[in-house]
Amino acid sequence: DIQLTQSPSSLSASVGDRVTITCRASQSSDIYLNWYQQKQGKAPRLLIYAASNLQSGVPSRFSGSGAGTDFTLTITSLQPEDFAIYYCQQSYSPPYTFGQGTKLEIK
Amino acid sequence: QVQLLQSGAEVRKPGASVKVSCKASGDTFTSFGISWVRQAPGQGLEWMGWISAYNQNTHYAQKFQGRVTMTTDTSTSTAYMELRNLRSDDTAIYFCARVPGPLGITGTVYFDFWGQGTLVTVSS
Repeated sequence: DIQLTQSPSSLSASVGDRVTITCRASQSSDIYLNWYQQKQGKAPRLLIYAASNLQSGVPSRFSGSGAGTDFTLTITSLQPEDFAIYYCQQSYSPPYTFGQGTKLEIK
Repeated sequence: QVQLLQSGAEVRKPGASVKVSCKASGDTFTSFGISWVRQAPGQGLEWMGWISAYNQNTHYAQKFQGRVTMTTDTSTSTAYMELRNLRSDDTAIYFCARVPGPLGITGTVYFDFWGQGTLVTVSS
């Protein structure tokens, strides 16, 4: 199984900040890495698929990059609604594992 | 806009079974797949498997092999997930999610629309 490790596990930031979350895979996932946002009590929301493709309707302040084993999610100019938990997920091979999550909190 | 509407919360005793439904609307049901993902209280996300609504092909995570069955009813655009021999550590929110691309191909199993989740509580 491909293990995904996110860093940091939690992060405090202010509105307007730029933040980066990293996801490292235990073996290559090619470009098949996806990012989700989950707010308390809600289902996850797809943000980025295949490493760098912005899902329809997602604001352009979200971007993704990477390939192989190292991937990043960047949020420029944080907005109040961006404080949530972020998960990466690999779609390279089953089981389609998720990272442990990164909690983004307001500073 | 695709919508996935799940059945309500369930309480079961250890050893029992539960069957959760997921009714799809807003797109042709047989044009996509459905995955099931669960989330234990305060924990992360865990993929359980997928089913093709087109041909009912399935792929289950090894962890759930032998305990889970995923099915679809194309006449009602509904997917089902049955989990048997429940244990206390099966207590979780169970989500259905749409897989937009063809199943069984590298890179396609990600989830663009999600149900609201169904809480399954296993307790004696």
